Amino acid sequence: TQLLEQSPQFLSIQEGENLTVYCNSSSVFSSLQWYRQEPGEGPVLLVTVVTGGEVKKLKRLTFQFGDARKDSSLHITAAQPGDTGLYLCAGTGANNLFFGTGTRLTVIP
Amino acid sequence: DSGVTQTPKHLITATGQRVTLRCSPRSGDLSVYWYQQSLDQGLQFLIQYYNGEERAKGNILERFSAQQFPDLHSELNLSSLELGDSALYFCASSVDSGAQPQHFGDGTRLSIL
Repeated sequence: TQLLEQSPQFLSIQEGENLTVYCNSSSVFSSLQWYRQEPGEGPVLLVTVVTGGEVKKLKRLTFQFGDARKDSSLHITAAQPGDTGLYLCAGTGANNLFFGTGTRLTVIP
Repeated sequence: DSGVTQTPKHLITATGQRVTLRCSPRSGDLSVYWYQQSLDQGLQFLIQYYNGEERAKGNILERFSAQQFPDLHSELNLSSLELGDSALYFCASSVDSGAQPQHFGDGTRLSIL
């Protein structure tokens, strides 16, 4: 089993603050995906990173894939209440995804 | 709207019973994946089907089984239900096999009383 640990597990911040969520593994992944899940809904894909060292930006969200392709981070600038949700990283295996333990983010207005 | 449809949305039943969860994948997607999400264990991969054939198996109990039909919809059968089976069950689909970006349904919440 390829385990992905995410930290922190819970994060509660004020609107306007910056934050970083981490996704770490001892395994190498060919690519890594980030999803956001809101209450009552399924996870929604945010981004896929493929190359070691790759950085992708999605508005206020910046995703980085580690050089060794074992870890990733998600940085949110000036968080907004709409960013509230469960953030999941997922490493790609041969036929399926291995999901991380998740970070539950709450942004307080 | 992901295009993946799961029914029913909620299911309440008793221990020892059997239930069937249904999933219609996004149009054009050949792969269907089933996941279990419980409060203390995150999203656990159960099983994948590709174009009607089982492709990968994860942490799926022997009491659980699944199939994908010729029209590509899939069903997850859970039998001899136990209290610990209470969870959200998600279906996802992707165009091809391999761990491509997956599109998730809104899940079925199963409560065992």
